[in-house]
Amino acid sequence: QSALTQPASVSGSPGQSITISCTGTSSDVGSYSLVSWYQQLPGKAPKLMIYEVSKRPSGVSNRFSGSRSGNTASLTISGLQAEDEADYYCCSYAGSSIVLFGGGTKVTVL
Amino acid sequence: QVQLVESGGGVVQPGRSLRLSCVASGFTFSTYAMNWVRQAPGKGLVWVAVISYDGSNQYYADSVKGRFTISRDNSKNTVHLQVNSPRPEDTAVYYCARGAGTGVYFDYWGQGTPVTVSS
Repeated sequence: QSALTQPASVSGSPGQSITISCTGTSSDVGSYSLVSWYQQLPGKAPKLMIYEVSKRPSGVSNRFSGSRSGNTASLTISGLQAEDEADYYCCSYAGSSIVLFGGGTKVTVL
Repeated sequence: QVQLVESGGGVVQPGRSLRLSCVASGFTFSTYAMNWVRQAPGKGLVWVAVISYDGSNQYYADSVKGRFTISRDNSKNTVHLQVNSPRPEDTAVYYCARGAGTGVYFDYWGQGTPVTVSS
């Protein structure tokens, strides 16, 4: 049960687009279309942003989008805004009712 | 609206036991799987355990298997996490989270309850 791999930090200027990668293996990200992404503001509980690779829950801005290629999933934030500054975590089903999170990525808006 | 409220956290000595609780409201509790996810200070999220909607199945992360037990009482809309033989590395904020869709993503989270394992 190894954590998924995310970059520690990603930054961008307001209005730019950034992409956060999430690398797993053929046993988790590569096998199941069950990748989700969470935003965590400082001192707050996580919030679901993307589920099943690319679906957005009601109320989440369409500036957030998800995709997957092979064993790597990605979260793209377009039109970056100051309010997007937070930690972001990917998550994948890994079979046998086990779920894995990534180590998290700190997004900084310059 | 959906609410999840955790309680039971605190300071516990290594080897002692602790029971965390999460009371749910605003949805039909008995139709959803429920999870515990933890976050050590300054660290990332780690999935801990899941229990099926009817309590018939439980699954655990390797790091807690054999020490933690997840259970639920659908008559009280409550899910518990029994923490036995805690270790210093179990120090974390413990979140209760509702399992959605196929149960493998988490659409609602509680505010968390902190657990510190220290002598």
